[in-house]
Amino acid sequence: IAGITQAPTSQILAAGRRMTLRCTQDMRHNAMYWYRQDLGLGLRLIHYSNTAGTTGKGEVPDGYSVSRANTDDFPLTLASAVPSQTSVYFCASTASGGTGELFFGEGSRLTVL
Amino acid sequence: GQNIDQPTEMTATEGAIVQINCTYQTSGFNGLFWYQQHAGEAPTFLSYNVLDGLEEKGRFSSFLSRSKGYSYLLLKELQMKDSASYLCAVMDSNYQLIWGAGTKLIIKP
Repeated sequence: IAGITQAPTSQILAAGRRMTLRCTQDMRHNAMYWYRQDLGLGLRLIHYSNTAGTTGKGEVPDGYSVSRANTDDFPLTLASAVPSQTSVYFCASTASGGTGELFFGEGSRLTVL
Repeated sequence: GQNIDQPTEMTATEGAIVQINCTYQTSGFNGLFWYQQHAGEAPTFLSYNVLDGLEEKGRFSSFLSRSKGYSYLLLKELQMKDSASYLCAVMDSNYQLIWGAGTKLIIKP
């Protein structure tokens, strides 16, 4: 089934641990994004990639890093997790030159204790 | 700064009509989006407006006035499955999406 797959769907993590959230899409979309969603706030962009080999910082990049080695994969890494990183994380992608419609993964719920 | 405003929560009755408003102040404008998000699920695309006017798609319609920085999403013949959060987002001059906090719509029988 075409779309975006995120893993894990849920994770409880001790503060200070390293964590990588995985994101894979099979739609051959050039642009990919990582958002976090917190209660009462809009989706906030963490990092993005307009094409394989390039990445950029979004609104809230501190404490997170990404890589884009190929078109399909866009992992998000928390080098040393802190409780304020407790959130729901969504990966999304879009086709270049389109209306900008985003396709989202199912989300990864992360709790940092 | 950039800002998207929409009501936090609305309640409507099954079979009725509801209008969800969104006002925005952004640096530039390259389109406005509405997404639907059911609890515990990912957002899904509903509509895109870049020119003034009304776009109709089945029971859902979206309106845009660029001069007023205003949009609304109109939902007709409400069904229980329409209970969800509705997210308004504007694409700014850098082609980045600015998101509102969402409007939680509660449908009562």
